[in-house]
Amino acid sequence: AQKVTQAQTEISVVEKEDVTLDCVYETRDTTYYLFWYKQPPSGELVFLIRRNSFDEQNEISGRYSWNFQKSTSSFNFTITASQVVDSAVYFCALSVGLGNTPLVFGKGTRLSVIA
Amino acid sequence: EAQVTQNPRYLITVTGKKLTVTCSQNMNHEYMSWYRQDPGLGLRQIYYSMNVEVTDKGDVPEGYKVSRKEKRNFPLILESPSPNQTSLYFCASSSDRLNKETQYFGPGTRLLVL
Repeated sequence: AQKVTQAQTEISVVEKEDVTLDCVYETRDTTYYLFWYKQPPSGELVFLIRRNSFDEQNEISGRYSWNFQKSTSSFNFTITASQVVDSAVYFCALSVGLGNTPLVFGKGTRLSVIA
Repeated sequence: EAQVTQNPRYLITVTGKKLTVTCSQNMNHEYMSWYRQDPGLGLRQIYYSMNVEVTDKGDVPEGYKVSRKEKRNFPLILESPSPNQTSLYFCASSSDRLNKETQYFGPGTRLLVL
């Protein structure tokens, strides 16, 4: 069975601090896809990144970066120099295999950035 | 503008009164899905559809129905709502019917069943 664990339920940081959100996944499939979504206070779900299991290259997009490590089954998300607008709930998600399988979400991490 | 729309955005109803939440996407996506979000549980899939007239159950389908008569629409039907269906509902679509591409989510429908 597939599972995504986001052990950090809530994190608070002061503006300009760096923060890392952890995501650990479980699957026996060698082909899988990992996602991060952001849910700001307004409630919508915003896509951030998609990664497949064959691409372990880390990704950087502005202040956001992702560290994918198959050896530890982790896909961690780092925000550098956090800003108040980064305050949101962040979800990590997993889709496995080559056939149609559901997107399995972690329970989310609520990030509060304090000015 | 490419988007997924849901209506209504907010709904208060009473137990047993049938309701439908509509979902429409303008991206010609094959895959569509419904999720519910509850505190401490994250998002859980209710139903999904790989194409017109093809639907299947997700993790929590009890008490819900769906239909996919047209590619762009995927309504969620609660025949006899109960208070435990009070939740935040999201519709999503993806260009890949096997759900390996990014899913794009609607704005959410907040439902309260009294």
